[in-house]
Amino acid sequence: DAKTSQPTSMDCAEGRAANLPCNHSTISGNEYVYWYRQIHSQGPQYIIHGLKNNETNEMASLIITEDRKSSTLILPHATLRDTAVYYCIVRGFSNAGGTSYGKLTFGQGTILTVHP
Amino acid sequence: NAGVTQTPKFRILKIGQSMTLQCAQDMNHNYMYWYRQDPGMGLKLIYYSVGAGITDKGEVPNGYNVSRSTTEDFPLRLELAAPSQTSVYFCASKPGGGTSYEQYFGPGTRLTVT
Repeated sequence: DAKTSQPTSMDCAEGRAANLPCNHSTISGNEYVYWYRQIHSQGPQYIIHGLKNNETNEMASLIITEDRKSSTLILPHATLRDTAVYYCIVRGFSNAGGTSYGKLTFGQGTILTVHP
Repeated sequence: NAGVTQTPKFRILKIGQSMTLQCAQDMNHNYMYWYRQDPGMGLKLIYYSVGAGITDKGEVPNGYNVSRSTTEDFPLRLELAAPSQTSVYFCASKPGGGTSYEQYFGPGTRLTVT
């Protein structure tokens, strides 16, 4: 699976858009980009995922570049409750010829701090 | 639905003691997972199960055992607790086959081994 690179930390003012970048330059054609977040002391929470088209749901938007080597998670109107660690994960349908059984690999993520 | 539940929330063990971390889900998910998270680090997969009676090792299985006798429950057993097992343990589940990575996580069990 493709490795990802995220900034260690970012700040955002409450009410403004938070744009979290992720580089995945070795992504292959059948790999999806998934985003999770983990609010302090809680279990991770699924946010959104995409393959090559931009995606939007009630929580966020995901913009994937045309070459798919990077993506940006957008929280349109960040609140204090969005302060969390955000993980960008790239996963495909199979791993070394077999199924990956939906297993996730978490890196360090980006610590997003939303301030008043 | 309660989702994924974990008990206990906190536990302190002495070195060499044993315990079982409980995990249950009421969403009829086939796939279940156990992760551990050390301070300041990402989650690491310990064991996973693709259905009742089927389990397999993840990235860091040493010192742990699991069983899956029902779809709902996936307990994690620590046989001889060591300080290196001090961590926060998360259980997760997901529906469907292996092509989805949308997992639902429990609230975690914070374990300290002294």
